[in-house]
Amino acid sequence: KAGVTQTPRYLIKTRGQQVTLSCSPISGHRSVSWYQQTPGQGLQFLFEYFSETQRNKGNFPGRFSGRQFSNSRSEMNVSTLELGDSALYLCASSPPDRGADGYTFGSGTRLTVV
Amino acid sequence: AQKVTQAQTEISVVEKEDVTLDCVYETRDTTYYLFWYKQPPSGELVFLIRRNSFDEQNEISGRYSWNFQKSTSSFNFTITASQVVDSAVYFCALSEASDSWGKLQFGAGTQVVVTP
Repeated sequence: KAGVTQTPRYLIKTRGQQVTLSCSPISGHRSVSWYQQTPGQGLQFLFEYFSETQRNKGNFPGRFSGRQFSNSRSEMNVSTLELGDSALYLCASSPPDRGADGYTFGSGTRLTVV
Repeated sequence: AQKVTQAQTEISVVEKEDVTLDCVYETRDTTYYLFWYKQPPSGELVFLIRRNSFDEQNEISGRYSWNFQKSTSSFNFTITASQVVDSAVYFCALSEASDSWGKLQFGAGTQVVVTP
């Protein structure tokens, strides 16, 4: 079965711009979570969406937002980009119940802010 | 406060040596879930194992084994007879039942370097 698809894989943006990243979960998975990975802070939870509703949010400024569509695809948006937003952004999908497995991650979007 | 601690930043071994990665966690929940993920240079996090708090059985999967000890809040991971393909960053993670299912709290990761 198809895995978690994240697009684009690489992105270069200028400070002050905004960016939208996309995540298509595994078919049947309704939970999508987003993580930011940087060398300094490691892997940090951004937010989780379930059935089009934000279920949880990490400790990030309001410039970071997201949404989920009825087909479970999710987007995250970062407005007014800062140099410190350069990171690997990973999304993960999981089935509706706490099944036997873990979350399945996508390959990530590597964002560089210049 | 850091809920998952991976004290080893980097471990270097020669092929065929065993390597053990330490993971210590902290939670007040009685129900929680622990995970190990592997991150190769490509960046994708690859799921290795999940363990529930109420299941302390150790597990072996091929060259991988895990030792879960609630008494010491540890969930250590051993790679037996390491191979060059095991070179990656390994993350331990915690999901607490009191929090939403989609939130994983990761340790800082341990870089494993296996040289031929």
